[in-house]
Amino acid sequence: KAGVTQTPRYLIKTRGQQVTLSCSPISGHRSVSWYQQTPGQGLQFLFEYFSETQRNKGNFPGRFSGRQFSNSRSEMNVSTLELGDSALYLCASSSRQGRGTEAFFGQGTRLTVV
Amino acid sequence: TQLLEQSPQFLSIQEGENLTVYCNSSSVFSSLQWYRQEPGEGPVLLVTVVTGGEVKKLKRLTFQFGDARKDSSLHITAAQPGDTGLYLCAGGGNAGKSTFGDGTTLTVKP
Repeated sequence: KAGVTQTPRYLIKTRGQQVTLSCSPISGHRSVSWYQQTPGQGLQFLFEYFSETQRNKGNFPGRFSGRQFSNSRSEMNVSTLELGDSALYLCASSSRQGRGTEAFFGQGTRLTVV
Repeated sequence: TQLLEQSPQFLSIQEGENLTVYCNSSSVFSSLQWYRQEPGEGPVLLVTVVTGGEVKKLKRLTFQFGDARKDSSLHITAAQPGDTGLYLCAGGGNAGKSTFGDGTTLTVKP
């Protein structure tokens, strides 16, 4: 069974630009979550989608958005990029919502904003 | 807000030594996961514990969930350089919104 696939692996963008990151979950998984990881802040939850609906949202500005498609693939978009958006963006998929469900992570997309 | 505190933040040991890292909270968690992350990669799930007092073993790694389900520990016996990485604990709530600790960075020197 293929794991979680994130594309691209690396990305360099300029301040003010926008970026779209993609995540393909494990086959059969319907829940996709996004996290931002930085050295100073650790893993910060961005949002979670389940069956094309956003179920949870973290404390990030509206420049961060996402969506999920009918095949469970998900994208996240960051508009008007700032230097502080440089981070490793991780996607995790789960087979279902609910307590005790394990999350499986992709390798991440390393975004650098210059 | 449920918070998880991990200690120590950094740990550097010699190959063959034993070590224990901790994950503590004032909140009760329905389950707790441990992950290991290597630089530039995503976290890899090691284990999930769900029952208070539960002990799980994965080769040289032993995981324990506190009786009150507020804390957990990871013990590594005879550490090897391949154990080097960032160890993260995560507490469930809804799986999609797990709370992560800040991690313990382990370096095992040959």
